[in-house]
Amino acid sequence: GENVEQHPSTLSVQEGDSAVIKCTYSDSASNYFPWYKQELGKRPQLIIDIRSNVGEKKDQRIAVTLNKTAKHFSLHITETQPEDSAVYFCALTGAGASGSARQLTFGSGTQLTVLP
Amino acid sequence: SAVISQKPSRDICQRGTSLTIQCQVDSQVTMMFWYRQQPGQSLTLIATANQGSEATYESGFVIDKFPISRPNLTFSTLTVSNMSPEDSSIYLCSVGTGVSQPQHFGDGTRLSIL
Repeated sequence: GENVEQHPSTLSVQEGDSAVIKCTYSDSASNYFPWYKQELGKRPQLIIDIRSNVGEKKDQRIAVTLNKTAKHFSLHITETQPEDSAVYFCALTGAGASGSARQLTFGSGTQLTVLP
Repeated sequence: SAVISQKPSRDICQRGTSLTIQCQVDSQVTMMFWYRQQPGQSLTLIATANQGSEATYESGFVIDKFPISRPNLTFSTLTVSNMSPEDSSIYLCSVGTGVSQPQHFGDGTRLSIL
């Protein structure tokens, strides 16, 4: 089955700096790669996702890159703000039955702290 | 995205008892998933709730401990049976609409067992 490793486990950056979180996976059949942000006491919220036929996707200060050959994908947050402080989880799904959603396999999470 | 209502939002239970968690979606969805998030940990899939058939459980989770119902395309329940302190976790349902489509989570049920 799918396996995903996430690094680093904790990350502290100064406000305005960039943050990068990386996930590596083992199953080449994985084809969908979302990132979730979870604030303390709240549900995970999808912030960006990428599919296997795309190498990069950007949404304002957030971007995700995918390297299928090396089997890794990364979350990039630019111009970080204190409200970006949260736990970030990468996740992935593999190929499944036609038309059916597939369960997510999650990384271990990264606690991002943006220092004012 | 779908609006997912989960209840109860939290509960404190005595060991040996059972609790049923409900997940209601405002639109029909093919797949519903139940996850567990232990304190300070990542999310682990318990099972996939299939409408009209038995739930599919992940390794380490069994139907006798976590029975699931999925009576229609908008509703599912997860029961945590014969609870022990080790079951203290957040339980989350999520829904997906298709292959490589976003999945969204309910607010979770924070369960503490004394």
